[in-house]
Formats: sequence, structure tokens, C-alpha cells
Amino acid sequence: DVKVTQSSRYLVKRTGEKVFLECVQDMDHENMFWYRQDPGLGLRLIYFSYDVKMKEKGDIPEGYSVSREKKERFSLILESASTNQTSMYLCASSPPGQLNSDTQYFGPGTRLTVL
Amino acid sequence: DQQVKQNSPSLSVQEGRISILNCDYTNSMFDYFLWYKKYPAEGPTFLISISSIKDKNEDGRFTVFLNKSAKHLSLHIVPSQPGDSAVYFCAASEAGGGADGLTFGKGTHLIIQP
Repeated sequence: DVKVTQSSRYLVKRTGEKVFLECVQDMDHENMFWYRQDPGLGLRLIYFSYDVKMKEKGDIPEGYSVSREKKERFSLILESASTNQTSMYLCASSPPGQLNSDTQYFGPGTRLTVL
Repeated sequence: DQQVKQNSPSLSVQEGRISILNCDYTNSMFDYFLWYKKYPAEGPTFLISISSIKDKNEDGRFTVFLNKSAKHLSLHIVPSQPGDSAVYFCAASEAGGGADGLTFGKGTHLIIQP
């Protein structure tokens, strides 16, 4: 079974702090993703990466950056956390794009609260 | 503009009956569609998918129907069970998919009543 783990289940930070959310997958997947989930807005893509050191902006990249130094690890960085970044953050991974491989495997999520 | 729409925020169905969750999309480049199920405090889990070359895909109690001309898909669960109570997300991707992420709907909260 694919396992995607996220470093924290719950996190509380203050406005202006730098925040790191870590995600690790153990299936040697090329593709990794960061989403945020907000009530009434569903899941929205922040950034994704299709290879080490490669990154692409998703639908809502503002206020975020990412790092992919190793294949198994994809980090989401909030340079200066703001209260509107309070959300549930979900990491996902998937094998290279083929129709029967488009399913993404999600981590358990990190509930971030910015005070 | 929302490209994947789930217009029902919630749906209540009696145990044993059929649950029908609907999803509409606007992007004609989408050619692969997925349903995810999410319990509280957990990440979404993949449920069932369908390629645009098909109009139906069945897996046990779950069937997904795709109407390309109407840009509409639906998930049927029959019979509905208490463990099916969850939020269901419809998702779509363009050709070749996985490397570009998925576009999700807002989700429908399915409540199965005993």
C-alpha cells in the first residue's frame, strides 16, 4: 500500500511566522501535490512537482512556496503565515501520468491554525 | 470560474436505498474523472474513476455514469450503508493527467440514515 505521511496532524502558528509542512511518500512516485481544503471550497491545488527540483504553480500559489530536494519529500512553505492561511493542508502523490495511474494517494492532512 | 461543480452540499439517504451524487464540469479538455471519499480528519481516498471513452464503470456497490454531451457525471451507491456517510469529491483531469493535479468539486456530504 502506498503511504503518504505528513509531519504534523495539527499545527498552531502566529501571524508572520515561517511555517514548514512536510510530506513524505514511500512508493517512489514522481508526482507530488499540495492542496488546501476549506469548507464550501473543496480541494484547491497550491503547487505540484513532477520531479526532483521541479515545481509548478497550481491554482492558488500566492503566499506559498515549495521545495523538492528528494524524490520522496515535498515541502510546503508559508514564508509569512497569515490568518487566511488557516486551513486543512493535504499532500498527495501519484505515479507518472497515465490514464490508469491518475489516482492520487493522499496523506492524512495537517490542520493549520494561524493566530 | 469553477470547472467542476457539485451543486448539492449535502444529501440525506435512507440506509438500503440508492444514493446518487451529481457532478457537472465545464472544461471540455477533461477526459478522466474520479470520485474520492473523505471521512473527517482523514485524507481523501480514491473510490472509482471513469475515462471519457466509457459511459459507465462499475465496482461493487459503486457505479459512475458519464454523459459527455451534457458534461455530467454521477456516482450511484446501491444499497447505501451507514459507512458510506462521508464527503464525496468529484475530480477531473485533462489528458495524461497525473502530473498536472486534479480539479476538484466542492464536495457533497452524504448522510446515510438508519
